Amino acid sequence: GDSVTQMEGPVTLSEEAFLTINCTYTATGYPSLFWYVQYPGEGLQLLLKATKADDKGSNKGFEATYRKETTSFHLEKGSVQVSDSAVYFCALSADSNYQLIWGAGTKLIIKP
Amino acid sequence: GAVVSQHPSRVICKSGTSVKIECRSLDFQATTMFWYRQFPKKSLMLMATSNEGSKATYEQGVEKDKFLINHASLTLSTLTVTSAHPEDSSFYICSARKAGGYEQYFGPGTRLTVT
Repeated sequence: GDSVTQMEGPVTLSEEAFLTINCTYTATGYPSLFWYVQYPGEGLQLLLKATKADDKGSNKGFEATYRKETTSFHLEKGSVQVSDSAVYFCALSADSNYQLIWGAGTKLIIKP
Repeated sequence: GAVVSQHPSRVICKSGTSVKIECRSLDFQATTMFWYRQFPKKSLMLMATSNEGSKATYEQGVEKDKFLINHASLTLSTLTVTSAHPEDSSFYICSARKAGGYEQYFGPGTRLTVT
């Protein structure tokens, strides 16, 4: 079945460092790909999305490119801030009911 | 817009009792709501999908008689954990989707502890 694999955390970085959180997927069709973020004490929020190959999703300085050839959707940010500390989830949606299949989540800790 | 609330945020109950969790879409009509369970350091597990006015569709392995879901209106869905046991302790999250939309809007979750 379809699945999402993302790098285990926690990932600890200093402020202004470059961030990459890897995400790869397996899917039989042509899924849409998502990154969600969960800040402490809050609900999950959609961070960015891409619906077809080579699309780049971006939001709040974060980017991810839908790479069909490598089945990847890695999350990147050029300069992280303490306020980016959160848990990041990669997910895909491949059916007409838009059900989401989730990665395990990666906790990101940014130190000042 | 697109705010989803859950109540309660935390609940502790004794083994054998039932507990109800509410999920409300505050500023939109949710034709579809999803219930997830999140285990520590694990991904979200979809428990069931409910459409307003219809019976919920449960995922494989989820006991529908234990996890009762009611989606009685376009702004409210409830999850009732019946005869709760310590292994039901978990973080339960709901999400809601607008008619014709694909994006899910998530509630903040409910931490259930069964003693």
